[in-house]
Amino acid sequence: EAQVTQNPRYLITVTGKKLTVTCSQNMNHEYMSWYRQDPGLGLRQIYYSMNVEVTDKGDVPEGYKVSRKEKRNFPLILESPSPNQTSLYFCASSLSRMNTEAFFGQGTRLTVV
Amino acid sequence: KNQVEQSPQSLIILEGKNCTLQCNYTVSPFSNLRWYKQDTGRGPVSLTIMTFSENTKSNGRYTATLDADTKQSSLHITASQLSDSASYICVVSAVTNSGNTPLVFGKGTRLSVIA
Repeated sequence: EAQVTQNPRYLITVTGKKLTVTCSQNMNHEYMSWYRQDPGLGLRQIYYSMNVEVTDKGDVPEGYKVSRKEKRNFPLILESPSPNQTSLYFCASSLSRMNTEAFFGQGTRLTVV
Repeated sequence: KNQVEQSPQSLIILEGKNCTLQCNYTVSPFSNLRWYKQDTGRGPVSLTIMTFSENTKSNGRYTATLDADTKQSSLHITASQLSDSASYICVVSAVTNSGNTPLVFGKGTRLSVIA
């Protein structure tokens, strides 16, 4: 089954403790991206990747890092999480960056206390 | 600034009735427009995707329209079902100089279908 898998689904952590949210897709998609969704706001792009070893900042990259060592995986890294990073995070992938359907993961609800 | 505005913010309708959701955008240059359905706490799921040259597209009981001249889109839901209760998000894809095609998301319309 074609899917985007995020882990964990829920995470509560303390300020400053490094964490990684994993994202994996099984569709051989080139384009992957991370979004955060906050109440009253639309989804906002954090980082994106057009292919292996090609990553760039989206609209709200501060406090986040990503890597794309393999085509299928695109982890999101929070080196020193802060309470303002409490949010619902979505990973998405698409075949290419143009006019192709984006598939979203189930989401990771992160709480930083 | 690229923006997507949706209306209404929320809507309650009776099961079996039709409804229309609106989307206005100021995204430029325009690549495509998508409608997504998002159940609470879940990832968005694509309903339709339309490019500049398409002005209507259907997916079962969902029909999306696009007027690229006025930069407006609508999503019409026919014979609503309880399972249609969700947020419906209008998303416009832009094209940037870097080659990225960021998705600009509206805040969504929260639809509740009641028996």
